[in-house]
Amino acid sequence: EAGVAQSPRYKIIEKRQSVAFWCNPISGHATLYWYQQILGQGPKLLIQFQNNGVVDDSQLPKDRFSAERLKGVDSTLKIQPAKLEDSAVYLCASSLQGAQETQYFGPGTRLLVL
Amino acid sequence: GENVEQHPSTLSVQEGDSAVIKCTYSDSASNYFPWYKQELGKGPQLIIDIRSNVGEKKDQRIAVTLNKTAKHFSLHITETQPEDSAVYFCAASPGSNTDKLIFGTGTRLQVFP
Repeated sequence: EAGVAQSPRYKIIEKRQSVAFWCNPISGHATLYWYQQILGQGPKLLIQFQNNGVVDDSQLPKDRFSAERLKGVDSTLKIQPAKLEDSAVYLCASSLQGAQETQYFGPGTRLLVL
Repeated sequence: GENVEQHPSTLSVQEGDSAVIKCTYSDSASNYFPWYKQELGKGPQLIIDIRSNVGEKKDQRIAVTLNKTAKHFSLHITETQPEDSAVYFCAASPGSNTDKLIFGTGTRLQVFP
C-alpha cells in the first residue's frame, strides 16, 4: 500500500513570497490533516478535512494560510504572504475515518523563510 | 482546550535498559491516547495507542499505561535497542466537540550500544 505523498520535500523562500504544498493521501482515506511542526515541538493541527469538507480549521491563520481538498482526495496548503515564523515542517496525514483511527503521516515539507 | 505535557524532553539509556516517557493531559473527556515515533527526516509513525476503557496495553517490547484519575499516561520500552533511538510524541484526543489530536512536545530518546 502506497503511503502519504508530499511535495516538495524542501522549499526556501523569502518573506512576503507565497508557497504551496501538495499532499496525496492513502487511497480510500476520508480524513486528511495538515500539521505544522516547528523545530523541537510536536505537530500542531492546522486544518482537518473529512472528504472535501473542513472539520476543524480553528488553528489556521486564515489571513495568510489557505487549504483545499480537491474532490475529496488530494490537498494543497498555501501560504501567502510568508513570514519568518512560518519556517517549519508541514506534515500531511490521512486516516480512514477521523482522528481516533491511525493517522499515517507523509515525510513532510521543510520550509525555510528568509 | 486540551493541553498535553510530556517529560522528559531528552532521555539517554544503555542498550538493554528500559525507558519510560510520561504525559499528562488536562481534559478529562479525552478518551484516545496514541504514541508516535518520529525518525530523522520522516513523518511520525503510530507505535501503540490506548483508549480510556483500558488501563494497560502491550505490544512486544512496548507498553502503555493509563491512569484516568490522575490524567496521565506513560510509554514503557523494555530491552531498548539502538534502532529505538528517535523522537517520541504522546497525543490525546479531546473527544468533546472535535476528535482532533493534541500532541505533546516530544522526547528525544538515545539508546547507546
